[in-house]
Amino acid sequence: DAGVTQSPTHLIKTRGQHVTLRCSPISGHKSVSWYQQVLGQGPQFIFQYYEKEERGRGNFPDRFSARQFPNYSSELNVNALLLGDSALYLCASSLVAGSGEQYFGPGTRLTVT
Amino acid sequence: GESVGLHLPTLSVQEGDNSIINCAYSNSASDYFIWYKQESGKGPQFIIDIRSNMDKRQGQRVTVLLNKTVKHLSLQIAATQPGDSAVYFCAEEYFGNEKLTFGTGTRLTIIP
Repeated sequence: DAGVTQSPTHLIKTRGQHVTLRCSPISGHKSVSWYQQVLGQGPQFIFQYYEKEERGRGNFPDRFSARQFPNYSSELNVNALLLGDSALYLCASSLVAGSGEQYFGPGTRLTVT
Repeated sequence: GESVGLHLPTLSVQEGDNSIINCAYSNSASDYFIWYKQESGKGPQFIIDIRSNMDKRQGQRVTVLLNKTVKHLSLQIAATQPGDSAVYFCAEEYFGNEKLTFGTGTRLTIIP
């Protein structure tokens, strides 16, 4: 079975632009979470979605938004990009919300210039 | 705020030896702990987990120990191999809330 997939793999944007990152969970998984990993640090929680509803939000500005689709795939949107948004954006899926074990995708490397 | 931290940022171990990676957590309400392995350019890979009602759990070549009294978590890797070289993160969670709180990671280097 395929694991969590994310697209694109790499992305370069300029300040002020917006970006959309995509995630497809493991087949059968209904919960998707997004994390930001700045170089040299551990991942930081951004959002969690389950059954198309937001179940949790981390300490990120309103420029960050996300949604989950009926097929459980998800998008992360970031508006008005800042240099500090440069990071690896990780998506994780789990069977149900609160099941504990989360599986991560390979991430999208976003560079803001 | 609550955070998960690590004692050592780097660890070098001779191939074939055992390694121990330590982690301190501060949130006594956390009831689920996970160790992840992250290789360069890849997402975190689940290694092993443990719930707060357990003290020890074993997997293939890995053992996680949880000491709730001192809020300490450790990952033991037996008979290390070159493929074990990676950054290892501990993470904590409240069961039912999927917000994982990660530490900064320990870079493990296996010396051939």
